[in-house]
Amino acid sequence: GESVGLHLPTLSVQEGDNSIINCAYSNSASDYFIWYKQESGKGPQFIIDIRSNMDKRQGQRVTVLLNKTVKHLSLQIAATQPGDSAVYFCAENRLMDTGRRALTFGSGTRLQVQP
Amino acid sequence: SAVISQKPSRDICQRGTSLTIQCQVDSQVTMMFWYRQQPGQSLTLIATANQGSEATYESGFVIDKFPISRPNLTFSTLTVSNMSPEDSSIYLCSFARAAGADTQYFGPGTRLTVL
Repeated sequence: GESVGLHLPTLSVQEGDNSIINCAYSNSASDYFIWYKQESGKGPQFIIDIRSNMDKRQGQRVTVLLNKTVKHLSLQIAATQPGDSAVYFCAENRLMDTGRRALTFGSGTRLQVQP
Repeated sequence: SAVISQKPSRDICQRGTSLTIQCQVDSQVTMMFWYRQQPGQSLTLIATANQGSEATYESGFVIDKFPISRPNLTFSTLTVSNMSPEDSSIYLCSFARAAGADTQYFGPGTRLTVL
């Protein structure tokens, strides 16, 4: 999606609540998707992935949902904790101009967990 | 899982100079990539570092500006040449174990400021 520059969408939740972060992807031929968490001053950290032959995948406290019909991806975090505060990026595996497949990142959502 | 590191972690450089960033993985990996993340924005793929051959650059990035080396399966360098303030960004390397841009794992990034 389009970058929103310095004004990242922000989701603010209370500690203990569930969080849902959404992502719209661009290419219907994308067949693999990843969610990354990026804390301030660090590189992106892999959270969970899903392939296009699935519509749901669960990890520890996280669930990814894939809706290929509307090209939408969501990350659900259960019982959100202060340590979950970060910027979250979705990434899709798509065909680039070079003819190679590569990851393309969404614009990111900042999750703020209020104690 | 493999550990990936980058050097330097940050640098402040004068315009017109060049900086070489090193990326080291502690085990052999098939694919290595270089990304740029401008302040407050998402990640953009610069190029795929190919072992033993020239890197594959994405649209908007050229070898003269961002020469890349990959002498073996554990190491790569990215040089930012003839820098200007617009090159101020975080530069990230990542790796994937298999071809096809499967799951990528990221280094901590190099924060570059050009004065």
